[in-house]
Amino acid sequence: GAGVSQSPRYKVAKRGQDVALRCDPISGHVSLFWYQQALGQGPEFLTYFQNEAQLDKSGLPSDRFFAERPEGSVSTLKIQRTQQEDSAVYLCASSPQDRATDTQYFGPGTRLTVL
Amino acid sequence: DQQVKQNSPSLSVQEGRISILNCDYTNSMFDYFLWYKKYPAEGPTFLISISSIKDKNEDGRFTVFLNKSAKHLSLHIVPSQPGDSAVYFCAATPLFSGTYKYIFGTGTRLKVLA
Repeated sequence: GAGVSQSPRYKVAKRGQDVALRCDPISGHVSLFWYQQALGQGPEFLTYFQNEAQLDKSGLPSDRFFAERPEGSVSTLKIQRTQQEDSAVYLCASSPQDRATDTQYFGPGTRLTVL
Repeated sequence: DQQVKQNSPSLSVQEGRISILNCDYTNSMFDYFLWYKKYPAEGPTFLISISSIKDKNEDGRFTVFLNKSAKHLSLHIVPSQPGDSAVYFCAATPLFSGTYKYIFGTGTRLKVLA
């Protein structure tokens, strides 16, 4: 399958723990997005990469959230000192180029539960 | 402030009939709109899109209508099938903002009854 993959699919963390969520975009896709989806809500934008450059991180809720894409392919979203309000599904999406009309293809998400 | 609103959390439709899902937006900078479908435990999948220079776009059973003056779009599914049962999200973005992030609504859960 050549779709976007994410790991782990499920993560349970104790409050205060650090977590790292991985996204493998579709090969060759230039743009990569992270979204957070709380229960009963739509996905909310967190951050955007064009290749390895993080061009927009305006949606990251606090400085405990950090994302990287060092070689322009795989991306990692790291959450430090997790809090209960961080519990959500974290979605990664990639698109072929850097145009708004390029369809964003979503992965299955990582469901994070913070106890 | 919810810039994209889907005011109907759920909708039930009989198989074979038309499903109409609605979406309103407030930001006049939005000029590209999309509908995504989401099944449980899967990521959203793209359905159909429309840019603000058009008022209608059709793809098979799916048609999206855009009313710019009313800041309203709708998705029509004809005929509805049980496999269409899912959560539908509308999304919007400006075409030339440089960031291409989507702003999503809260979703409408469609149930197509056999």
